Amino acid sequence: QSLLTQPPSLSEAPRQRVTISCSGSSSNIGSYPVNWYQQLPGKAPKVLIYYDDMLPSGVSDRFSGSKSGTSASLAISGLQSEDEAHYYCASWDDSLNGPVFGGGTKLTVL
Amino acid sequence: EVQLVQSGAEVKEPGQSLKISCKASGYRFTDFWIGWVRQRADKGLEWMGLIYPGDSETRYSPSFQDQITISVDKSINTAYLQLTSLEPSDTAIYYCAREVPGGDVDWFDPWGQGTLVTVSS
Repeated sequence: QSLLTQPPSLSEAPRQRVTISCSGSSSNIGSYPVNWYQQLPGKAPKVLIYYDDMLPSGVSDRFSGSKSGTSASLAISGLQSEDEAHYYCASWDDSLNGPVFGGGTKLTVL
Repeated sequence: EVQLVQSGAEVKEPGQSLKISCKASGYRFTDFWIGWVRQRADKGLEWMGLIYPGDSETRYSPSFQDQITISVDKSINTAYLQLTSLEPSDTAIYYCAREVPGGDVDWFDPWGQGTLVTVSS
C-alpha cells in the first residue's frame, strides 16, 4: 500500500483531456514538491514533470502538473495513442526519510 | 549524453545472493546521488536506497535495509546493488537512476534500462 494514492487505471479517447490524481499527506505532498514519471510499455520510467509543474526539456507541453494541499494532478491534453503508459507520482516522505512513489495509473487511449 | 547502463538479467535460486551493476557516463559520477528502485511484475515502483558516490554515504528504505547493500567503485563510475537471501518474491526488475537535486525535492533522471532478476528453484 503506497503512501501516495493514484487511480489504478483510466481511459479516454484520442484528442481528449485526462487528469490523473495523486493523493498524499502532510508528511509528503503537503510538505514537498511532486514529480511525475511516465513508463512506456517495456521501458524504464522517464521524468515527465518535476517540482510540481516544471517540464523537462523535450517533454511536450500537452503535459502539465499542479498541486494543492496534499494532492497533486497530472493533466494530459490532446491525447494521443503514444500516451498509453503507466504514470507515477512521486515526492519525498518524512516518515520514510526518502522518495516515495504512487502506485501508478495505467492510461489507456481508446 | 548522460547514461546509466545496467548489468544483464540474472536467474538465481532461493537463498542465493547477487550483485547488480550500474555504470554511469556523461557526467561527473561523484557529484550526484544514485538511487535503486524495484518494480515487481505489474506493480509500482519502490524506492530501495541511495548512495552518494563522492563519499559513499548511503540511505536505505526501512523496507529493504536488512537485505541490501549499495556500494560504488569510483574508479570505474559504477554503482552496485547487492541483494542477499533471495526469495521468489524478489523476482522483479531493478532500476538504478541518477538523482537530480531540486532543492526541496529531487527527481530521478535518467534511469538505467533495468535488470530483470528471477528467483526460482
